Amino acid sequence: AQKITQTQPGMFVQEKEAVTLDCTYDTSDPSYGLFWYKQPSSGEMIFLIYQGSYDQQNATEGRYSLNFQKARKSANLVISASQLGDSAMYFCAMREGRSGGSNYKLTFGKGTLLTVNP
Amino acid sequence: DSGVTQTPKHLITATGQRVTLRCSPRSGDLSVYWYQQSLDQGLQFLIQYYNGEERAKGNILERFSAQQFPDLHSELNLSSLELGDSALYFCASSAPPGQGGETQYFGPGTRLLVL
Repeated sequence: AQKITQTQPGMFVQEKEAVTLDCTYDTSDPSYGLFWYKQPSSGEMIFLIYQGSYDQQNATEGRYSLNFQKARKSANLVISASQLGDSAMYFCAMREGRSGGSNYKLTFGKGTLLTVNP
Repeated sequence: DSGVTQTPKHLITATGQRVTLRCSPRSGDLSVYWYQQSLDQGLQFLIQYYNGEERAKGNILERFSAQQFPDLHSELNLSSLELGDSALYFCASSAPPGQGGETQYFGPGTRLLVL
């Protein structure tokens, strides 16, 4: 079974509008972390936001917020006020295992290609 | 700029050859991770080193090996290259546990093309 599922291969949004990118995960580990990365066409992987499994509040970083619904095992990324520069591939990833350990390997989803239209 | 450096940026080689990819982690980071991104397999974890010691192994082929040196830079060696090894290879680093080590910061990647 896939550990990270991103069901939207591609999404379109108008500039200045908000968009939600879906991510569901599968783990039996009570301690885990969820991440979103952005990969523009140039290829680099840019860290956007992190949510720990024990965090009570949804994570926010500027225009990015993570809608964490633990019971549903979902960790959707919300981008507010989309900009043309947000056009990129977005990856959801998970780290399983206790926080504070030294093994943080990430398992990635297949990604969602976001296109922002002017 | 994440602070993680990788060289070379691009590499073109022939089947059967051997190449070495190099990574320097962010200052102060002890963990180095290697990932492979290909069209058919997506992003896959290969191997992790922590302060010079191998800590975790993923889907790394026996033809591939890695090491982390005392100055914490890491090298990924790929040998007997096949066409299917063509991919984007990322190095990532993270801080020690308890010092923000949750997040991995990725280098710009090395794009390998095997002809």
